[in-house]
Amino acid sequence: EAGVAQSPRYKIIEKRQSVAFWCNPISGHATLYWYQQILGQGPKLLIQFQNNGVVDDSQLPKDRFSAERLKGVDSTLKIQPAKLEDSAVYLCASTQANRESDTQYFGPGTRLTVL
Amino acid sequence: SQKIEQNSEALNIQEGKTATLTCNYTNYSPAYLQWYRQDPGRGPVFLLLIRENEKEKRKERLKVTFDTTLKQSLFHITASQPADSATYLCALMGRNAGNMLTFGGGTRLMVKP
Repeated sequence: EAGVAQSPRYKIIEKRQSVAFWCNPISGHATLYWYQQILGQGPKLLIQFQNNGVVDDSQLPKDRFSAERLKGVDSTLKIQPAKLEDSAVYLCASTQANRESDTQYFGPGTRLTVL
Repeated sequence: SQKIEQNSEALNIQEGKTATLTCNYTNYSPAYLQWYRQDPGRGPVFLLLIRENEKEKRKERLKVTFDTTLKQSLFHITASQPADSATYLCALMGRNAGNMLTFGGGTRLMVKP
């Protein structure tokens, strides 16, 4: 079974530029998450999708971050414009359903450096 | 505010010994607690889940305890090996949280041969 795929693996941009990350979850997984992990910290949830609908985006900085999952499969996370403090690893995860005991499967992440 | 604390200092132990990592939380009533392993440059990998009504869970050399009175979980690796060296994250899920996890900062474990 293929895991969660993310691209690119690394991205370096200057502040005020835009950037987009892509995630393809495990086939058949209905729930998809985007996390931000700053160096030395644990992952912080940004947004959760159930199929193509948003379940929770309370921690997403909506003035600059946006995410979509139009067909209920892959997803993109965009930052526009980027700030220095957005430097982090952006992790995508998926679960088969939305049961509370479901294990989350993580992708390798995209490491973003904002200069 | 809700807080999940893990020892931010690295834990260094000798191969063969038991590693014990701590996860403390405040202002939280988790229904589930999970432990994940994260290697450098990789995403977290699920290890164990323990429910609020369970005291202990085991899987091979791993053991997790959950004390809702102390608001603490302990994660043990027995007969540790250098391959166990990684960062270990605890994550809590509240009741009716829609499978949303809140992660602690993680503890780095170094097992020396």
